[in-house]
Amino acid sequence: DAGVTQSPTHLIKTRGQHVTLRCSPISGHKSVSWYQQVLGQGPQFIFQYYEKEERGRGNFPDRFSARQFPNYSSELNVNALLLGDSALYLCASSFSAGEYEQYFGPGTRLTVT
Amino acid sequence: EDQVTQSPEALRLQEGESSSLNCSYTVSGLRGLFWYRQDPGKGPEFLFTLYSAGEEKEKERLKATLTKKESFLHITAPKPEDSATYLCAVQTSGGSYIPTFGRGTSLIVHP
Repeated sequence: DAGVTQSPTHLIKTRGQHVTLRCSPISGHKSVSWYQQVLGQGPQFIFQYYEKEERGRGNFPDRFSARQFPNYSSELNVNALLLGDSALYLCASSFSAGEYEQYFGPGTRLTVT
Repeated sequence: EDQVTQSPEALRLQEGESSSLNCSYTVSGLRGLFWYRQDPGKGPEFLFTLYSAGEEKEKERLKATLTKKESFLHITAPKPEDSATYLCAVQTSGGSYIPTFGRGTSLIVHP
């Protein structure tokens, strides 16, 4: 069975640009969460979606937005990129919003120059 | 505010040298505590969930335990392939399912 998949693997953008990151959850999982991980730190929660509705939002500016599609895949959008947005962006899926166990994808490495 | 502190930040062991990693937490009410393993440049890999004080779980050379204020990840006779960053996260019972992660412990096991 395929695990959580994310695309692209790596991405280089310039300050001020926009980026879209994509995630496909494990088959049967209906909840997707997004995390930002800066080097040397633990993942920081950005959003959680369940059944296409936002169920949680972390302490991130409005430049960050996300959505979930009918097939439960998800997109994370970041506008007006800053140098500080450079990080590993992780997607995690679980069966439901309250599920204890989340399964992470390999991440998208975003570099903003 | 929920806080999760992991120690040590980094740990170097010789192959076969057992040790423990610590995760201390300050939360209003614990719903679950999770341990993950993360290899460089990859996403975290789920290891264990612990729900209540006194609970223990094992997987190969790893054993996780939980008290009311902290969790330990015991590594028995580690091998070089156990080298990774080990992350601890907590989920509180306050209605939000947002987990709070610690910064991790970087483990290197030398052959």
